[in-house]
Amino acid sequence: LAKTTQPISMDSYEGQEVNITCSHNNIATNDYITWYQQFPSQGPRFIIQGYKTKVTNEVASLFIPADRKSSTLSLPRVSLSDTAVYYCLVGDMSGSYIPTFGRGTSLIVHP
Amino acid sequence: DTEVTQTPKHLVMGMTNKKSLKCEQHMGHRAMYWYKQKAKKPPELMFVYSYEKLSINESVPSRFSPECPNSSLLNLHLHALQPEDSALYLCASSQVAGLVEQYFGPGTRLTVT
Repeated sequence: LAKTTQPISMDSYEGQEVNITCSHNNIATNDYITWYQQFPSQGPRFIIQGYKTKVTNEVASLFIPADRKSSTLSLPRVSLSDTAVYYCLVGDMSGSYIPTFGRGTSLIVHP
Repeated sequence: DTEVTQTPKHLVMGMTNKKSLKCEQHMGHRAMYWYKQKAKKPPELMFVYSYEKLSINESVPSRFSPECPNSSLLNLHLHALQPEDSALYLCASSQVAGLVEQYFGPGTRLTVT
């Protein structure tokens, strides 16, 4: 099971771009990288998923270098409502995969 | 409809009580999950049901008993809980089991007195 490491917390200001990096040095060939966002007292919400290079959707971009040992979630022009905990998960698509949330990164966006 | 519903929102129970948490989804998903989340901690997986069969039990104490009556419903039966079991209990579903997009419910805030 690939272990993930993220910064515990980050601070930013409205309008800035925020990049949160996740390390997963022992990622396996079949593993994908998935990011979730969680607001207090709510369930996590899926943000983005990728395998390699770059993935972009209406919410965020995910950058994965060639060695896939890390990934970066990029949030463009954050607002106060982006204040949340962001989790990086790594695993395969098999039914035996055990979803494991690491400690996550607590992002605080300031006015 | 991309919603996972959970009832009740809040539950207070004594250590001798028996109660149940309920979860429902109508997205046609065939995998459903129970997670436990303590304050300022990440969600911890408890159980995974795949095609209505229990596929993963993360060594959860027997005082927690999951049940999947059909593909849309997931229950968690609680009996003889301890105060340290107080937490937010989250239900989630996905099309199939695996690292695929999970849809989470809002959770049930459980307090054991």
